Amino acid sequence: KQEVTQIPAALSVPEGENLVLNCSFTDSAIYNLQWFRQDPGKGLTSLLLIQSSQREQTSGRLNASLDKSSGRSTLYIAASQPGDSATYLCAVKNNAGNMLTFGGGTRLMVKP
Amino acid sequence: NAGVTQTPKFQVLKTGQSMTLQCAQDMNHEYMSWYRQDPGMGLRLIHYSVGAGITDQGEVPNGYNVSRSTTEDFPLRLLSAAPSQTSVYFCASSSTYDTQYFGPGTRLTVL
Repeated sequence: KQEVTQIPAALSVPEGENLVLNCSFTDSAIYNLQWFRQDPGKGLTSLLLIQSSQREQTSGRLNASLDKSSGRSTLYIAASQPGDSATYLCAVKNNAGNMLTFGGGTRLMVKP
Repeated sequence: NAGVTQTPKFQVLKTGQSMTLQCAQDMNHEYMSWYRQDPGMGLRLIHYSVGAGITDQGEVPNGYNVSRSTTEDFPLRLLSAAPSQTSVYFCASSSTYDTQYFGPGTRLTVL
């Protein structure tokens, strides 16, 4: 059974800092990996999708990398801003089915 | 496009009552799914559908029914609500192996 872990569970940084969020998964037979953002009381917003054949994806100040063989993905946020404060979730889709398995999330606070 | 819409936003039920959570998408996506989100448990898949007329169970299907009569709609039915079903419910849709889009959620409390 696929298990997804995100470390750290919570992170507080000053504005302007570059930061890295980590995601690890136990079964490397994935189809893709997706990073989401969730604001309090809201739904999930997709940030980046990395297919299993890709190594990274970039969108603005966000860069996500994927190392399938080691079961790891990182989300890099450059020049963090208070508006980046949210919970960040990673989720993997396995080749074996349509299920998305989610990590527990990293709750990020960026202080002005 | 409205994307993925869910109704109601909030609901309070008494134990034993039944209700249907509505989900609709206007992106012509084949794949739709229901998740519940609980503190400390993360998001868990309840049921999913890969197209009209086709549904399957996810990780936590007990106590819930689904049907998919059209591409656009994927309602989730609680047959006899229990306090353990207090949660936030999210519906999602995607083209089968592409980005998943989530609705805003339904916050359900069962007393």
